[in-house]
Amino acid sequence: KAGVTQTPRYLIKTRGQQVTLSCSPISGHRSVSWYQQTPGQGLQFLFEYFSETQRNKGNFPGRFSGRQFSNSRSEMNVSTLELGDSALYLCASSYSGGLNTGELFFGEGSRLTVL
Amino acid sequence: AQTVTQSQPEMSVQEAETVTLSCTYDTSESDYYLFWYKQPPSRQMILVIRQEAYKQQNATENRFSVNFQKAAKSFSLKISDSQLGDAAMYFCAYLKSGGSNYKLTFGKGTLLTVNP
Repeated sequence: KAGVTQTPRYLIKTRGQQVTLSCSPISGHRSVSWYQQTPGQGLQFLFEYFSETQRNKGNFPGRFSGRQFSNSRSEMNVSTLELGDSALYLCASSYSGGLNTGELFFGEGSRLTVL
Repeated sequence: AQTVTQSQPEMSVQEAETVTLSCTYDTSESDYYLFWYKQPPSRQMILVIRQEAYKQQNATENRFSVNFQKAAKSFSLKISDSQLGDAAMYFCAYLKSGGSNYKLTFGKGTLLTVNP
């Protein structure tokens, strides 16, 4: 069974640009979550999608947005990039077939550098 | 808001020895889950062990076990017979119980080094 796939793995952008990151969950998994990982703040929850609907949202500005498609693939977008957006962005999927037990399956992440 | 604190930024252990990683958390909820996730240098995080707050028995997964002290809000991870492959960043995480809640709160992590 293929794992969670994130693309691109590495990217470099300049301030003011926008970026779109993609995540393909494990087959059959319907919940996709996004986390930002930085050395200073650690892992912070961005949002979670289930059946194309955002169910949970973290405390990030509106420049951070996401969506989920009918095949459960998800994208996140960051507009008007700032230097502080440089981070590893992790996607995680979960089955969500019943009561959430918290086991997430993570991708390897997309490393974003903003210059 | 829930918080998770890992007071040891770095730890080291000799191969085959035992090491304990500490985690404390703060919550007003009575029903929740606690986790230890491992992030090796390749960066893909994997679940090591999970504890349901309503269970008094400490969770165990092979060489990994936890010491869950609900009243003290403490959740430590013990790794026995440490192996070189255990070297990684370890994150303690909290999840409020609830069917549609998927927001995990993570600690800042403990970097574990295993010396041969």
